[in-house]
Amino acid sequence: NAGVMQNPRHLVRRRGQEARLRCSPVKGHSHVYWYRQLPEEGLKFMVYLQKENIIDESGMPKERFSAEFPKEGPSILRIQQVVRGDSAAYFCASSPDGVNQPQHFGDGTRLSIL
Amino acid sequence: AQSVTQPDIHITVSEGASLELRCNYSYGATPYLFWYVQSPGQGLQLLLKYFSGDTLVQGIKGFEAEFKRSQSSFNLRKPSVHWSDAAEYFCAVSNQAGTALIFGKGTTLSVSS
Repeated sequence: NAGVMQNPRHLVRRRGQEARLRCSPVKGHSHVYWYRQLPEEGLKFMVYLQKENIIDESGMPKERFSAEFPKEGPSILRIQQVVRGDSAAYFCASSPDGVNQPQHFGDGTRLSIL
Repeated sequence: AQSVTQPDIHITVSEGASLELRCNYSYGATPYLFWYVQSPGQGLQLLLKYFSGDTLVQGIKGFEAEFKRSQSSFNLRKPSVHWSDAAEYFCAVSNQAGTALIFGKGTTLSVSS
């Protein structure tokens, strides 16, 4: 079974452009989480989604960032008008329905802002 | 607020020696606790988890961890380290398994020959 698939693995954008990061969860998983890893820091939670619903976005910056997990297709993390400080590794994780299900992580997207 | 502290930023261990990585958490109720490992350029792999029950938890790759409520700790151990164990290790906590994870800043493990 394929694990969590993230693409692209590396993304370079210029300041002011838009960045779209994609995440396909493990087949059968309906819960998706996005985390950001900045240099010298641990991973920080951004947003938790189930199909077509945002469950918890307490870690999302108030502006420029949005996330979706449509009924069909991958989850998308969108960053508009990127700035240098958005340079980071962005990780997606997924988990299935049911109690006590741990999160399984993808290999991340490394975003670099020129 | 929940938090996780990994006091050691970097640890070097000789191959074949034992290993203990420290993790302290701050959480009011019974936490869900995890250890993940990250190799350079890769994602995070789950080593083990504690939800309830036996406080000594066995994981993959020969790792184990012990939950000590009185010390608010969940230290990771391995009796004999292999060179392939060199990586970054993250301890994490959540209030239940399906919600946001709060991560520590990680401990980088180097293995010397």
